[in-house]
Amino acid sequence: EIVLTQSPAILSLSPGERATLSCRASQSVSRYLVWYQQKPGQAPRLLIYDASNRATGIPARFSGSGSGTDFTLTISSLEPEDFAVYYCQQRSNWPKITFGQGTRLEIK
Amino acid sequence: QVQLVESGGGVVQPGRSLRLSCAASGFTFSSYAMHWVRQAPGKGLEWVAVIADDGRDKKVADSVKGRFTISRDNSKNTLYLQMNSLRAEDTTLYYCARDVSAPANYYFDYWGQGTLVTVSS
Repeated sequence: EIVLTQSPAILSLSPGERATLSCRASQSVSRYLVWYQQKPGQAPRLLIYDASNRATGIPARFSGSGSGTDFTLTISSLEPEDFAVYYCQQRSNWPKITFGQGTRLEIK
Repeated sequence: QVQLVESGGGVVQPGRSLRLSCAASGFTFSSYAMHWVRQAPGKGLEWVAVIADDGRDKKVADSVKGRFTISRDNSKNTLYLQMNSLRAEDTTLYYCARDVSAPANYYFDYWGQGTLVTVSS
């Protein structure tokens, strides 16, 4: 099983600041890394697929980068609605896809 | 618009069975692979099962292999998860999720709101 480790577990920032979230895989997943956003009481929302491709309707302030084992989700300037939990997911080892444990982005 | 509505969750005793349903609308259901993904309250996400657009190919996670079966009825635009021999560790919120395409790409562009299963005596 490919283990995804997200860091930090909690990130406290203010609106307008830049957020950098990390996802590290226990073995290479090439570029088959996906990011989701989840708000309380809601289902996850697809943000980024294949490391750096924004999903339909996702604002340009969200960007993804990385390959192999190290990936980053960057939010260039935080909006109030961006405070949520973010999960990464690998689809390299299908069907044994796995998720990271999440990073909670909270308002400072 | 795309809608996925799960139902069938509830409280069930260990060892018993439950069938979840997911009613799909707003898209051509038979053109997409579909998945079940679960999430324990306050916890992370775990992939459970996938079924091809035509229902012929199915895969389940090792944690539920031999106990859970995924199926679909394209004439009714509905996805199912038959859960047998339920255990306490199956207590979680179950999401129905649409794959981005068919064949499955194993990531999800639409999710339902989930249905809660509680396994308890």
